[in-house]
Amino acid sequence: DAKTTQPNSMESNEEEPVHLPCNHSTISGTDYIHWYRQLPSQGPEYVIHGLTSNVNNRMASLAIAEDRKSSTLILHRATLRDAAVYYCILIMEYGNKLVFGAGTILRVKS
Amino acid sequence: GAGVSQSPRYKVAKRGQDVALRCDPISGHVSLFWYQQALGQGPEFLTYFQNEAQLDKSGLPSDRFFAERPEGSVSTLKIQRTQQEDSAVYLCASGPRMHEQFFGPGTRLTVL
Repeated sequence: DAKTTQPNSMESNEEEPVHLPCNHSTISGTDYIHWYRQLPSQGPEYVIHGLTSNVNNRMASLAIAEDRKSSTLILHRATLRDAAVYYCILIMEYGNKLVFGAGTILRVKS
Repeated sequence: GAGVSQSPRYKVAKRGQDVALRCDPISGHVSLFWYQQALGQGPEFLTYFQNEAQLDKSGLPSDRFFAERPEGSVSTLKIQRTQQEDSAVYLCASGPRMHEQFFGPGTRLTVL
């Protein structure tokens, strides 16, 4: 599986937007970009996924670079409940298992 | 609706004991996954079922680990002769399709 690189941690103020970057320079043409997050003492939670085009859902937006070598998860207005570890994961078109890295610890300050 | 449930939530075992961890997936979900998460690390894949068929068990760390899903719904992860290095949170996830897995709360196993 192609690897991803994320910052170890980031900090945000409540009610402000947060941009979480992910580098995946070895991504292949059939790899989907997935984001999951894990709140303290809970199992991971699906956030969003995309292939080439930017994606929006009720939780977040996913901006994918034109060359697909990087992507950014955007939380439009961070709340204290968004404090979690965010994982950027690549999955092949017909893949199934998730290969988690270390993720980014997001801290939200009130 | 009901999500993925796991039991027990916490398990303490003495070294050498056998343990069985249960996962109740979301009804109708074909895919079921087990992951192991050590403290401070991301989850690591253990095994994958599609209905009752175990299609991938490449992540099971040793032959002491065994998983089953005999009727294509409930799954059990069994660890024989537990060792201290087996201490971790064991996560179960189910999914109707490739792009979204729904995780349970996990079972925290502590081996003394």
